[in-house]
This record gives sequence, C-alpha cells and structure tokens, in this order.
Amino acid sequence: GAVVSQHPSWVICKSGTSVKIECRSLDFQATTMFWYRQFPKQSLMLMATSNEGSKATYEQGVEKDKFLINHASLTLSTLTVTSAHPEDSSFYICSASEVLGASQPQHFGDGTRLSIL
Amino acid sequence: QKEVEQNSGPLSVPEGAIASLNCTYSDRGSQSFFWYRQYSGKSPELIMSIYSNGDKEDGRFTAQLNKASQYVSLLIRDSQPSDSATYPCALNGSNYKLTFGKGTLLTVNP
Repeated sequence: GAVVSQHPSWVICKSGTSVKIECRSLDFQATTMFWYRQFPKQSLMLMATSNEGSKATYEQGVEKDKFLINHASLTLSTLTVTSAHPEDSSFYICSASEVLGASQPQHFGDGTRLSIL
Repeated sequence: QKEVEQNSGPLSVPEGAIASLNCTYSDRGSQSFFWYRQYSGKSPELIMSIYSNGDKEDGRFTAQLNKASQYVSLLIRDSQPSDSATYPCALNGSNYKLTFGKGTLLTVNP
C-alpha cells in the first residue's frame, strides 16, 4: 500500500519551455503532498507544501510564479516549472502522507529528472 | 549551523560487517526521525522511523535515538552489497515538514 506515482520520470527540453510534473497517490487519499528538489550530491530540499483545494505554501527562496502547484483532488498534485532554464535542471520528487502527523512517514514518488538544454 | 548533519562518507565496510551511520540535529523540538535509503538516481525509500529514546530494531536494521545528545544512528548488521546506497536521515519539524541531511554514502564490498 501507500504508493505514490510520479510522471514523467525524465524530461529533456529546450530553455523557455514549461514542464508539468504529476504526482498521484494510487491507493490512498492525500490531503497534503510535498514537492522537493535535489541537486547532485545535495540533500532533498522542500520546495512547497501542496494542500488539496487551497493554495500551496512555498519555502523561502522558492518562486511561486515559476513553480506553479495545483492540488485539484485528493489524489493528484501537479508542479509546473514555467519558462524553465538550465539552472532549473534537477531531480524533482513529490511525497504524500495518508495522514498528516509527526509520526506519519511520507511516501515518495520515483522522481522526475528534468534537464533543460 | 545546518539543521541536520551527516558525514557524507563514503563509508566502506566488508560484506557481513556492521555498518554504523550517524546523524546529528539542532532542533531540540524535533519529535520524529526517519532513515531513508536512496540509490543513485532514485527517490528515497523509508527504512526506519523512531520517535522515542533508545533502540528500535527491524530485521537487520537498528535505529538509535538520543534526544539529549541530539543524535540518531542507524546500524545495519550483516551488510550486503545491495545495501550500498546513500542513507539520508530526516526529522519531522514544524508543520510536519521533513528536513533531510545530505546522506552518508555506504559501500559494502563483496
């Protein structure tokens, strides 16, 4: 149980393109999903917290107009990287919890490797 | 000071040995701690969670938490080559957000 599906797994596109990444909880409902970014040999860094039916909460330094998050249902959150540039190339990972709580582990999607040429 | 610190390694152990991974943290209010395993190019996979001081065992894995000293460790017994990966620890802070360490790269040599 507790499977999180992320799509696509790889994206290679030209600078200036907008890219949408989907995160789905397959066998549970997730009121809250999280979006992370990981650069090579660095730790996962939380970008934003996605709440179903409301606006996402962005971490300091993350541009909300560049990284658009939509959490339209209890099983789907999307991250759109608008007008992507080479510095946006990274590994983007979503996670979700069945119940939001201090002792509840987050279940991670397989990640999306984004390469901007 | 970084919130979660780990030795990035690499930590090399022979097959069958015990691998010991350590993590220190700065937020005394942290209540929940997690060890993940991350293979190169993959997303993290939960290995262990621990919430109370002391040891917690699950198969070949033992997590140890000492809140007074602000460290959490992971022991892997009978290490296998398939255990070779990066092991980031994470703590659950305010608003249930996870803060990750960089992870320790473990190499188990056959």
